[in-house]
Amino acid sequence: AQSVAQPEDQVNVAEGNPLTVKCTYSVSGNPYLFWYVQYPNRGLQFLLKYITGDNLVKGSYGFEAEFNKSQTSFHLKKPSALVSDSALYFCAVRPPHNSGNTPLVFGKGTRLSVIA
Amino acid sequence: DAGVIQSPRHEVTEMGQEVTLRCKPISGHDYLFWYRQTMMRGLELLIYFNNNVPIDDSGMPEDRFSAKMPNASFSTLKIQPSEPRDSAVYFCASLPTPGQFNTGELFFGEGSRLTVL
Repeated sequence: AQSVAQPEDQVNVAEGNPLTVKCTYSVSGNPYLFWYVQYPNRGLQFLLKYITGDNLVKGSYGFEAEFNKSQTSFHLKKPSALVSDSALYFCAVRPPHNSGNTPLVFGKGTRLSVIA
Repeated sequence: DAGVIQSPRHEVTEMGQEVTLRCKPISGHDYLFWYRQTMMRGLELLIYFNNNVPIDDSGMPEDRFSAKMPNASFSTLKIQPSEPRDSAVYFCASLPTPGQFNTGELFFGEGSRLTVL
């Protein structure tokens, strides 16, 4: 069965510094990978996804993520953090298309706190 | 489009009472998902529908939980009787088209925060 791990419950970073939120996955074949963000008292919002092609994916709000097949990782990054980036971030995985229609599996989430 | 609409946003009830949560997906979306979010367990998929038909309800925790989708624009999640451990935020999400089930992104509602005393 597919799974995704977010090893850090909390990440703290100073405003203006680069940020990384880590995600590793376990799935057979080439997965489809997603990042979502949840602001306080709101639903999850899609940030970016990796389906195929270039390993570096660019998404909303200046975020990007790098798919690394050998390390089974899909870390979320941003060159310069903003206080407004403070939120809960979820990584999610779905097995490849030949596995049929399988819903997304979400990680437990990582709380990002950007300090001014 | 107004997005996925959930009601109520907040519900406080007493143990043993029936709770009904409601969801209106985005028009034209063929898939609807119910998730539950807690601090301990994160985000869990409870059930999902395709064209109003339940496809997988293996995540529904107990017989106290039931979900219906009588038409393409409305779904309910019911808990009867409710218990304190059901306290959580319940999210509804929809997916644009069947062809994008594997690669498409979910659109989430704002959630219904349930507190069972």
